[in-house]
Amino acid sequence: DVKVTQSSRYLVKRTGEKVFLECVQDMDHENMFWYRQDPGLGLRLIYFSYDVKMKEKGDIPEGYSVSREKKERFSLILESASTNQTSMYLCASSQGLGFFGPGTRLTVL
Amino acid sequence: RKEVEQDPGPFNVPEGATVAFNCTYSNSASQSFFWYRQDCRKEPKLLMSVYSSGNEDGRFTAQLNRASQYISLLIRDSKLSDSATYLCVVNEGFQKLVFGTGTRLLVSP
Repeated sequence: DVKVTQSSRYLVKRTGEKVFLECVQDMDHENMFWYRQDPGLGLRLIYFSYDVKMKEKGDIPEGYSVSREKKERFSLILESASTNQTSMYLCASSQGLGFFGPGTRLTVL
Repeated sequence: RKEVEQDPGPFNVPEGATVAFNCTYSNSASQSFFWYRQDCRKEPKLLMSVYSSGNEDGRFTAQLNRASQYISLLIRDSKLSDSATYLCVVNEGFQKLVFGTGTRLLVSP
């Protein structure tokens, strides 16, 4: 059974903190994605990666960076968290079909 | 114009009804298409792929019209358990998955 896991289900951070969200997949997929989901806005692509050490900006990359040192792991980094980054963060991996992790609900106070 | 557009709904239907959702996409070079289902506070899960010839999976039928750049999902004999948000997803190439904002379906007894 395919599996995408995310490091935390719920996270509370303070403004200005550096935040790491980790995602791991066990399907040997080339492609991995980070989305955020907000009411009324749907899923918006932050960054994606189609190979180790490769990354591409999505639609809303500002305030975020990513790291993909190993094929199975894709990390999203908020360098200095702000309140407008409070959201549900969803990681996905894909090789044609996309599979999602359970999501991390991040609150920035 | 959004890349993938859906009517957010909600669509309120009684059990047993037939309901249809449409989705339009702007990138004519899009390569593949999917419908995902998302339950409240859960991650999206693949419902079905959409093929040019149309395809059916039980009570669910998906259609693709490349000329008009729209995708449809038809649900027959709606069940209470069909209540969810249905997300239209387009693969724009290089495995970049773009999501619509979703259409909410509420099936009532």
